[in-house]
Amino acid sequence: EVQLVESGGGLVKPGGSLRLSCAASGFTFSTYNMNWVRQAPGKGLEWVSSISSISSYVYYADSVKGRLTISRDNAKNSLYLQMSSLRADDTAIYYCARGRAHYYSFRENWFDPWGQGTLVTVSS
Amino acid sequence: QSVLTQPPSASGTPGQRVTISCSGSSSNIGSNTVNWYQQLPGTAPKLISSNNERPSGVPDRFSGSKSGTSASLAISGLQSEDEADYYCAAWDDRQNGVVFGGGTKLTVL
Repeated sequence: EVQLVESGGGLVKPGGSLRLSCAASGFTFSTYNMNWVRQAPGKGLEWVSSISSISSYVYYADSVKGRLTISRDNAKNSLYLQMSSLRADDTAIYYCARGRAHYYSFRENWFDPWGQGTLVTVSS
Repeated sequence: QSVLTQPPSASGTPGQRVTISCSGSSSNIGSNTVNWYQQLPGTAPKLISSNNERPSGVPDRFSGSKSGTSASLAISGLQSEDEADYYCAAWDDRQNGVVFGGGTKLTVL
């Protein structure tokens, strides 16, 4: 069974940093593109970042560019999101989601499945 | 303001067919795969349609389609458990990233 388990969320002050992790199991992690998607309380879904299977390509939403960094460790079957210079509007549930297999273009990408999410709260 | 435009709400009675629209442009829906996600209350989203294909396990009551720069999700034989938020999404060539619709809250009356 494919499983994605996020961790690392919590309460952080504006301007602070946090590192989210996503532990993957049940599939060959190194052959899939991976993604982060967030959802602010009571709001819709917002794509955050995507990374290709061997980290050759990374993409970011304009709202997080320069502050959030996606990375992965295929030896550890793990995806990460390093968050810095955090702002109140970064408060959200952050979901890790598997993309399509590495031979698909990101233009054909999807998010399936999703983890249960981890809550990040930015507040003084 | 979302790049993809969805109606904020939709409703239907059990057994009815409802359709949710998603309007975009040539840089997203017009040239890339359109995906639909269902988010039941208090849970993570789930992929239910990619262009006109359904992932394994998704009932055939759910049907996605695309024409030009618009897409739609049709749900036939509406059931109470279909009450959820539905989101469309696609890669956008201008933004070089994924764009979502604002979401449609489906109520089963």
